[in-house]
Amino acid sequence: EDQVTQSPEALRLQEGESSSLNCSYTVSGLRGLFWYRQDPGKGPEFLFTLYSAGEEKEKERLKATLTKKESFLHITAPKPEDSATYLCAVPGGYQLIWGAGTKLIIKP
Amino acid sequence: SQTIHQWPATLVQPVGSPLSLECTVEGTSNPNLYWYRQAAGRGLQLLFYSVGIGQISSEVPQNLSASRPQDRQFILSSKKLLLSDSGFYLCAWSATYEQYFGPGTRLTVT
Repeated sequence: EDQVTQSPEALRLQEGESSSLNCSYTVSGLRGLFWYRQDPGKGPEFLFTLYSAGEEKEKERLKATLTKKESFLHITAPKPEDSATYLCAVPGGYQLIWGAGTKLIIKP
Repeated sequence: SQTIHQWPATLVQPVGSPLSLECTVEGTSNPNLYWYRQAAGRGLQLLFYSVGIGQISSEVPQNLSASRPQDRQFILSSKKLLLSDSGFYLCAWSATYEQYFGPGTRLTVT
């Protein structure tokens, strides 16, 4: 069964303290892995698509990487405005299979 | 560029009342359309998806229904709301695999 698991559920960091979020997946025939950011009371905002192992994408303080079994979202020197829930997903037919998300809190 | 609209932004309805939430997409043709529900502090639950006009697939048995009367319009309805229908409703569209979301509707059933 196709599955996506994110860890940790929540992560509290001090401003400037770098860390990584994990997204593990089991899917037959990966057709992409997607990262989203969701702020409270808003719809998820698309961040990255990764298609193959070894691929990397960057946006400001965020860098997403992909291996054959998992993806990491690295956040470098985060700021309080990076606080949000980060979701990952993989395609399953017409749908996306979603992880439960990691709630990231950056304290000033 | 593509834009997705949802309305209303917030809604408070009594138990047993009807519901109609609307979603429209601009700037693309024949998108796949999706309705999700998100309970407080929880993940995304897919309710319905549509790959074309009049084509609706339901993922979760419930008292909600969906319709797609036009290519870029997706409507979520209920004849009689339940307390358990409260939540954050999100509409999304896709052309290939990645989905793009609207701003959402916060529904509170009282």
